Amino acid sequence: AQSVSQHNHHVILSEAASLELGCNYSYGGTVNLFWYVQYPGQHLQLLLKYFSGDPLVKGIKGFEAEFIKSKFSFNLRKPSVQWSDTAEYFCAVSSYGNNRLAFGKGNQVVVIP
Amino acid sequence: DAGITQSPRHKVTETGTPVTLRCHQTENHRYMYWYRQDPGHGLRLIHYSYGVKDTDKGEVSDGYSVSRSKTEDFLLTLESATSSQTSVYFCAATEAEESDTQYFGPGTRLTVL
Repeated sequence: AQSVSQHNHHVILSEAASLELGCNYSYGGTVNLFWYVQYPGQHLQLLLKYFSGDPLVKGIKGFEAEFIKSKFSFNLRKPSVQWSDTAEYFCAVSSYGNNRLAFGKGNQVVVIP
Repeated sequence: DAGITQSPRHKVTETGTPVTLRCHQTENHRYMYWYRQDPGHGLRLIHYSYGVKDTDKGEVSDGYSVSRSKTEDFLLTLESATSSQTSVYFCAATEAEESDTQYFGPGTRLTVL
């Protein structure tokens, strides 16, 4: 079964700071990769996804993620965060051929105005 | 967001009582999923469905059952609720099993006293 690791579960940073959240997965085969965001009191929304092609993926709200196959990683980045980016961020992985997602434990990000 | 609704949105119940949560989608998606979200665990798959009357277990299925008699509805039942089932439950749906995005409902917060 897939396992997904997210480190630094609680991140506090000031507005305009850069954000990078790490995501590592265990499966060595072909994978589909996702980052979801959950704003306070809301449901999960897709931030970005990678299925194939360019390993640098751009998502909504200025977020991007880079798939590095050799490192089994899919790290999320944003160059300059805003207060409205305060949320919990989840990395998720599915193996090629099915869509059963394995989620990481999440990163709680708090942006201080 | 695939028009996914969940009911009830909040429920408080007592240990030993049966509880049924409902997920309803309006986009005719074939695949549906039930997850539970707990602090420090992220989201974990309980059960999923790949069509009417076709369901299978996820990683945390003990104590839960599901039914799908219509494409649009996916029910999650706790036969005899326990305090360990206090959680936030999310339903998700997607059209294709492979390489597709799951869309999530707003969640049901269940408290078992």
